[in-house]
Amino acid sequence: EPEVTQTPSHQVTQMGQEVILRCVPISNHLYFYWYRQILGQKVEFLVSFYNNEISEKSEIFDDQFSVERPDGSNFTLKIRSTKLEDSAMYFCASSGGDRSYYEQYFGPGTRLTVT
Amino acid sequence: KNQVEQSPQSLIILEGKNCTLQCNYTVSPFSNLRWYKQDTGRGPVSLTIMTFSENTKSNGRYTATLDADTKQSSLHITASQLSDSASYICVVSAGSNNNDMRFGAGTRLTVKP
Repeated sequence: EPEVTQTPSHQVTQMGQEVILRCVPISNHLYFYWYRQILGQKVEFLVSFYNNEISEKSEIFDDQFSVERPDGSNFTLKIRSTKLEDSAMYFCASSGGDRSYYEQYFGPGTRLTVT
Repeated sequence: KNQVEQSPQSLIILEGKNCTLQCNYTVSPFSNLRWYKQDTGRGPVSLTIMTFSENTKSNGRYTATLDADTKQSSLHITASQLSDSASYICVVSAGSNNNDMRFGAGTRLTVKP
């Protein structure tokens, strides 16, 4: 069964550095999402992406963050000048296509540790 | 404020027993409610999705109910297995915007042999 994949599984970076988290959504999906989950806390919506542009973003998704779909298959989240509080699990999800529009399929996540 | 509250926060049951997890929400306008299972260190996996007009939906040993009048949902797990140990997250979407998903904090279920 098709699944969302994410790389790397774990990223360690120093405060102030830039990181790029990568996701490969399910191939016929049209809607893409990034979420984050700080350890022990709720999953939080960051951004949704459709038709090569951001369709919605949360208050968390400020100028430090950007998303891109560079080549029609990958979907990336860039975090500039990382802060300690950016340490979290980052989940990519996708939806749309042959299955129900409402059902979002999540990837396994990237654990980001900022030191 | 649109909130999703789940109870209990954690639950321990013996293998083979049934359990029921609760979700209360104040999200408005309501679009749909989902239950996800999240294994430790993994992404959430969808169990059920219910819209306003649905009041029950089953997926194997999982049965979700929805009372849109009282804004309550439950997830019933029958004949629990060790592999059911996970966090169960209630997620409510607001309005017509599938992106506006409000996550509960989850119930951490532990099934013991």
